[in-house]
Amino acid sequence: AQTVTQSQPEMSVQEAETVTLSCTYDTSENNYYLFWYKQPPSRQMILVIRQEAYKQQNATENRFSVNFQKAAKSFSLKISDSQLGDTAMYFCAFISGTYKYIFGTGTRLKVLA
Amino acid sequence: SQTIHQWPATLVQPVGSPLSLECTVEGTSNPNLYWYRQAAGRGLQLLFYSVGIGQISSEVPQNLSASRPQDRQFILSSKKLLLSDSGFYLCAWSVNEQGGAFFGQGTRLTVV
Repeated sequence: AQTVTQSQPEMSVQEAETVTLSCTYDTSENNYYLFWYKQPPSRQMILVIRQEAYKQQNATENRFSVNFQKAAKSFSLKISDSQLGDTAMYFCAFISGTYKYIFGTGTRLKVLA
Repeated sequence: SQTIHQWPATLVQPVGSPLSLECTVEGTSNPNLYWYRQAAGRGLQLLFYSVGIGQISSEVPQNLSASRPQDRQFILSSKKLLLSDSGFYLCAWSVNEQGGAFFGQGTRLTVV
């Protein structure tokens, strides 16, 4: 079975600092896609960044970047220059040929002023 | 551009009452549609997904059902709600795997 694990239930970071959220997944597939979603207190799920497994280059979207380690089945999210508005739940997600997006249990990130 | 509408935003229902949550997508054709449930402080549990009109796949045996009467309409229903049905329900759509899924604003359901 395909699974997604986020081992950090909660994290905090000082404003303007950098934080890394961890995600590991388990699959026997070679082609798949990985995502990070942000869920602020409004509970609206927002797609932050996506990564194709066949691409070695790590995806970057402004202050958000990933460290994709395919052999280790690891997909971490780095937030640089953290802002108060980054305070949210962050979910890692996976999909591979099944139509089903599988989500981790989330990491609650708090950015401190 | 594509948009997704989900309603109602909040719902309080007594145990044993019926449920109908509706979701519609605009600006795209033949989307894949999803219903997820999020318990308080937890991750997202996939309940149902649909790849076409009338095609429903259920992920978790439960008190809920889903229907897709039109291409861009997805409905979550129950004949008799249980206390355990309380939660935050999210509808989502996608057109391909690599693009990711896009979510509605969610419905907070409280069964009392």
